[in-house]
Amino acid sequence: GAVVSQHPSRVICKSGTSVKIECRSLDFQATTMFWYRQFPKKSLMLMATSNEGSKATYEQGVEKDKFLINHASLTLSTLTVTSAHPEDSSFYICSAMSGGGAFEQFFGPGTRLTVL
Amino acid sequence: AQSVAQPEDQVNVAEGNPLTVKCTYSVSGNPYLFWYVQYPNRGLQFLLKYITGDNLVKGSYGFEAEFNKSQTSFHLKKPSALVSDSALYFCAVRGGNSGNTPLVFGKGTRLSVIA
Repeated sequence: GAVVSQHPSRVICKSGTSVKIECRSLDFQATTMFWYRQFPKKSLMLMATSNEGSKATYEQGVEKDKFLINHASLTLSTLTVTSAHPEDSSFYICSAMSGGGAFEQFFGPGTRLTVL
Repeated sequence: AQSVAQPEDQVNVAEGNPLTVKCTYSVSGNPYLFWYVQYPNRGLQFLLKYITGDNLVKGSYGFEAEFNKSQTSFHLKKPSALVSDSALYFCAVRGGNSGNTPLVFGKGTRLSVIA
């Protein structure tokens, strides 16, 4: 099946620094990628939809200047958390969509961000 | 608008007993339905999907789900639960005519299988 990787899997940073998370589709081209955030024991919250070569579409309540998303190629999307604060600590999961008939979504393993 | 309901936050079942995790949905058009499982500090693993065809769908690790159009349900089942099945389970849906819009997830159901 299709594989999506995320890097890093875990990151700890100081408050005020920026952190970049990479999401790659390894064996297929993903015209659309999604970024989710998951709080402890909660469901996935969609943050933004990213289409290759265009600006990301952010969900209501998600700060686009804080969570910068770049989808420069058909296999790579990045999420940069700028000026991170402790409340940004969370589990971030990316998902890539194949162009098959069912528009299936394949999920990365997630990145655990801890901001001190 | 699309939505998914997982009415149970927690399901407890004894090892060897059958398990059911409930899911109902609301979409316009024909639904594409999915089940995912998540282990602690891990991403989502695909279990099974319903797109069209037989209402009973068989997936990974012995799981199956039955699509019931009249009840708008897609309950996840397994005939004999294992302790290793203990995890968080998510039901998700997308309308069949909604193109590349993202999946809508239920809130998740935590399954605990007791030895």
